[in-house]
Amino acid sequence: AQKITQTQPGMFVQEKEAVTLDCTYDTSDPSYGLFWYKQPSSGEMIFLIYQGSYDQQNATEGRYSLNFQKARKSANLVISASQLGDSAMYFCAMREAYNFNKFYFGSGTKLNVKP
Amino acid sequence: DTEVTQTPKHLVMGMTNKKSLKCEQHMGHRAMYWYKQKAKKPPELMFVYSYEKLSINESVPSRFSPECPNSSLLNLHLHALQPEDSALYLCASSQKTGAYNEQFFGPGTRLTVL
Repeated sequence: AQKITQTQPGMFVQEKEAVTLDCTYDTSDPSYGLFWYKQPSSGEMIFLIYQGSYDQQNATEGRYSLNFQKARKSANLVISASQLGDSAMYFCAMREAYNFNKFYFGSGTKLNVKP
Repeated sequence: DTEVTQTPKHLVMGMTNKKSLKCEQHMGHRAMYWYKQKAKKPPELMFVYSYEKLSINESVPSRFSPECPNSSLLNLHLHALQPEDSALYLCASSQKTGAYNEQFFGPGTRLTVL
């Protein structure tokens, strides 16, 4: 089974609107971390936000928030007030405590922000 | 300084060449990683170094040879590569290996093998 599933290969959003990128994960480890990365066409992977499995509150970093629903094993990224510079590929990733050397990535979602 | 640097940015090499990719971080991180990324795909883990010791080799062909001379530097030595090895090679580092440690990535080296 896939560890990380991103079901939206591509998405469009109007500038200044909010957008949600979906991510579901699969693990039997009670301790894990969830991460979102942004990859513009230049190639660099930019760390956006992190959520630990024991965190009670949803993580937020500026315009980014992570909608963490542990029972549903989902960790959706919400970008508020989209900007043209948000156009990029977005990857959801997970790291487990018992397999801590590995970083599991989803297949990515390509976000296009329209002016 | 929250930066991972990689050199060169671009590399074109023939199948008989020997070249090296270099990665450097000065964040005091003790775990460093090499990834290979093909277009429109997620990064694939190649190697993990933890406290300067190789802890994971994801069945990578021997034509790729990693080296960690010290805690700040990571090299990837390339020899007798194939055209299918053309990809973006990303280096990353994290404070330690562990579930709660995010990885910080460098800008990558775009490798073309002719």
